[in-house]
Amino acid sequence: AQSVTQLDSHVSVSEGTPVLLRCNYSSSYSPSLFWYVQHPNKGLQLLLKYTSAATLVKGINGFEAEFKKSETSFHLTKPSAHMSDAAEYFCVTLETGANNLFFGTGTRLTVIP
Amino acid sequence: DAGITQSPRHKVTETGTPVTLRCHQTENHRYMYWYRQDPGHGLRLIHYSYGVKDTDKGEVSDGYSVSRSKTEDFLLTLESATSSQTSVYFCAISQLGLAAFSYNEQFFGPGTRLTVL
Repeated sequence: AQSVTQLDSHVSVSEGTPVLLRCNYSSSYSPSLFWYVQHPNKGLQLLLKYTSAATLVKGINGFEAEFKKSETSFHLTKPSAHMSDAAEYFCVTLETGANNLFFGTGTRLTVIP
Repeated sequence: DAGITQSPRHKVTETGTPVTLRCHQTENHRYMYWYRQDPGHGLRLIHYSYGVKDTDKGEVSDGYSVSRSKTEDFLLTLESATSSQTSVYFCAISQLGLAAFSYNEQFFGPGTRLTVL
């Protein structure tokens, strides 16, 4: 069965420094993977998605993620954090052949001025 | 939020009372979903709909029922609310089914915070 594990529940970075949010996946097949962001008291917004077309996926707001099959990872990165990036980030995978997304437990990103 | 509204946005109720949450969309998307969000669990699918009067269960459907009489509205009902159903509930929509189109995006509503005392 597909699942994702977010390795950090909370990440804190200084403004202007790189962001790394880690996600490992578990799947017998080539997975579909997504990163969503949730700002306080808001719904979720899609940042980027991996659909096997390219291993390096670029998303909105300067975020990108790299699919590494050998490491079963799909880590989210950004070169330089902005204050507006402070939010909760979810790594998500799709159950093959079903209408069910599986969400990781989330990583809360804090950006220090 | 992609033309999705949820009502009410906040509700406090007592154990044993019925509760209905409403999701309304203006996008004419075929698929609609209800999730709950709890600390340490991320979001979990409760029920989803793939058309008017067509619904199916998700991962955590016990204690919940849904109805969809119109394309734009998807109702989630707690027949007899329990404290374990205290959560934040999110509605989502997608134009196409995720099963067939794995790259299809879901759009999420702003959420409803439900507290069951």
